[in-house]
Amino acid sequence: SYVLTQPPSVSVAPGQTARITCGGNNIGSKRVHWYQQKPGQVPVLVVYDDGDRPSGIPDRFSGSNSGNTATLTISRVEAGDEAYYYCQVWDNSSDHRVFGGGTKLTVL
Amino acid sequence: EVQLVESGGGLVKPGGSLRLSCAASGFTFSSYSMNWVRQAPGKGLEWVSSISSSTSYIYYADSVKGRFTISRDNAKNSLYLQMNSLRADDTAVYYCARSVGKNKPGDYWGQGTLVTVSS
Repeated sequence: SYVLTQPPSVSVAPGQTARITCGGNNIGSKRVHWYQQKPGQVPVLVVYDDGDRPSGIPDRFSGSNSGNTATLTISRVEAGDEAYYYCQVWDNSSDHRVFGGGTKLTVL
Repeated sequence: EVQLVESGGGLVKPGGSLRLSCAASGFTFSSYSMNWVRQAPGKGLEWVSSISSSTSYIYYADSVKGRFTISRDNAKNSLYLQMNSLRADDTAVYYCARSVGKNKPGDYWGQGTLVTVSS
């Protein structure tokens, strides 16, 4: 089955740029979606189809996808961005929706 | 306003059954695929099952195939998950989420309902 690999944690100082990666075999051929989940809250979609943003999501959130790695980039990080972030794809080979293991973003 | 409200969670013994419901409002339910996603305590998100708008396509995670059944009633704007032969590792918060299609993300999620499998 298709596996998405995320680093368990990423730390960044306020105002800096955070990059969270999501690795998968030829992930560049798939559409990647990213969710933010704060403690005790419901997941929120922050980036879809590799790099598009839902309405209401700040343009500080962006995404890219190529080769074997997709990346969620958060610019000018704020304390309120501290959360878990999950990548997700649809795997056509198995007809499964697949989530990465999640990355905890800590704002120092 | 899009709303998804799950219900039906609770405490059940191993081997038991439970039926979850997700009541949808604020959008044309029959035009969207629907999904169940769960999250075990302190763990990440795990996809459980998806159903297309007209029920033509149904998909299950390997971990629940043969034990869980997803269904929907477009006339009642409702999504269901029948869970049989429950195991301790099925303990999780179960979320329903809307998506345009299988390749598309869950753009709206319910608040979730907790299922605890324990003797």
